[in-house]
Amino acid sequence: QVQLQESGPGLVKPSGTLSLTCAVSGVSISSSYWWSWLRQPPGKGLEWIGEISHSGSTNYNPSLRSQITISVDKSNNQFSLKLSSVTAADTAVYYCARAVFTTGWGYYFDYWGQGTLVTVSS
Amino acid sequence: DIQMTQSPSSLSASVGDRVTITCRASQSISSYLNWYQQIPGKAPKLLILAASSLQSGVPSRFSGSESGTDFTLTISSLQPEDFATYYCQQSYSAPYTFGQGTKLEIK
Repeated sequence: QVQLQESGPGLVKPSGTLSLTCAVSGVSISSSYWWSWLRQPPGKGLEWIGEISHSGSTNYNPSLRSQITISVDKSNNQFSLKLSSVTAADTAVYYCARAVFTTGWGYYFDYWGQGTLVTVSS
Repeated sequence: DIQMTQSPSSLSASVGDRVTITCRASQSISSYLNWYQQIPGKAPKLLILAASSLQSGVPSRFSGSESGTDFTLTISSLQPEDFATYYCQQSYSAPYTFGQGTKLEIK
């Protein structure tokens, strides 16, 4: 079955770079899906960060575009997020997810990782 | 960005009740609206896609409907495992945005 698992440091210093990896199993990351990052500040709602396709095309949330880099590692079946110049406002649970786009049904997140809490603090 | 507004923000109900949660889009999004359920400490789970299509494996007590830019999630008979937070999400255009959530609590 499809599984996604986030990994990375749980603590990042202000002005530093947050780096996370999502390991994908049960499906090839080269399949026709979009591989996405989302986040949820403690006690708050969900925010879409951005995505990468199997071919390496990316879409980023304009509110974060200057900070984000999403990349894919096909050899290890994983994809990654880098968020630069972080502040306390970037403290959140970060999720990776598989996004499906189907004509007529739209675009939706059908598989999610368990999430990983990243705290920005000195 | 397309703004999604859910109501109510919280709701108290009893097992067996019928509940309705509403989501309003700030502009037309056709039927590109999804619903997710999130249990505390867990990742969101897809319930309904394209406004009214039940995701595989989701109980039939969940249903979705639409009227213009208003979308509704209905749970026909609440079960104990349904007490959670529910989010709508528009997939009409990026950035894909979510409602602020509706927390469903036990009365």
